[in-house]
Amino acid sequence: EAGVTQFPSHSVIEKGQTVTLRCDPISGHDNLYWYRRVMGKEIKFLLHFVKESKQDESGMPNNRFLAERTGGTYSTLKVQPAELEDSGVYFCASSHTSGVRWVNEQFFGPGTRLTVL
Amino acid sequence: GNSVTQMEGPVTLSEEAFLTINCTYTATGYPSLFWYVQYPGEGLQLLLKATKADDKGSNKGFEATYRKETTSFHLEKGSVQVSDSAVYFCALTFNTGNQFYFGTGTSLTVIP
Repeated sequence: EAGVTQFPSHSVIEKGQTVTLRCDPISGHDNLYWYRRVMGKEIKFLLHFVKESKQDESGMPNNRFLAERTGGTYSTLKVQPAELEDSGVYFCASSHTSGVRWVNEQFFGPGTRLTVL
Repeated sequence: GNSVTQMEGPVTLSEEAFLTINCTYTATGYPSLFWYVQYPGEGLQLLLKATKADDKGSNKGFEATYRKETTSFHLEKGSVQVSDSAVYFCALTFNTGNQFYFGTGTSLTVIP
């Protein structure tokens, strides 16, 4: 079974440019999450999709970030225009949908390292 | 609010040394607790978990016990190997489909 994949692995852009990150979850996983780790700090939640719907986007830092999951398969996270503080590692994770009495493991991708100059 | 605090790194140990990485949490409800590990160039992998008080999670020689009275989930291993060099993240979540709250990560380097 293929794991969560992310593209690109690294991206270096200049302030003001646009970058689009892609995440392909494990096949059949309805839940898809985006997280971000800024240098040396904790990994922070950005948003959660259930299929194609945004379940929780409380962690999105501002309206320069746009996430989509058309068709409920892969997801994209676009940053436009990028700012210096957007630099960090962006992780994607996916999990099964299940009942409420037990907790699903989230399977993480390798991350995309974004550097904004 | 909900948060996880891990001991600051980096940690450097000699092979076969004993490892402890401290983790404490604050939570608005009754969380499940996790340790994830990130090896160089790879994504985060689940190392172990515990879903209720006094549960012990274990995997690959690592252990952690859910201590509700001290709100802690310290990671331990009796004898580390070079291959254990990685970044370790403590995390909590509440129920199915909910977000994870992570600590800052602790970088471990094991030298031969």
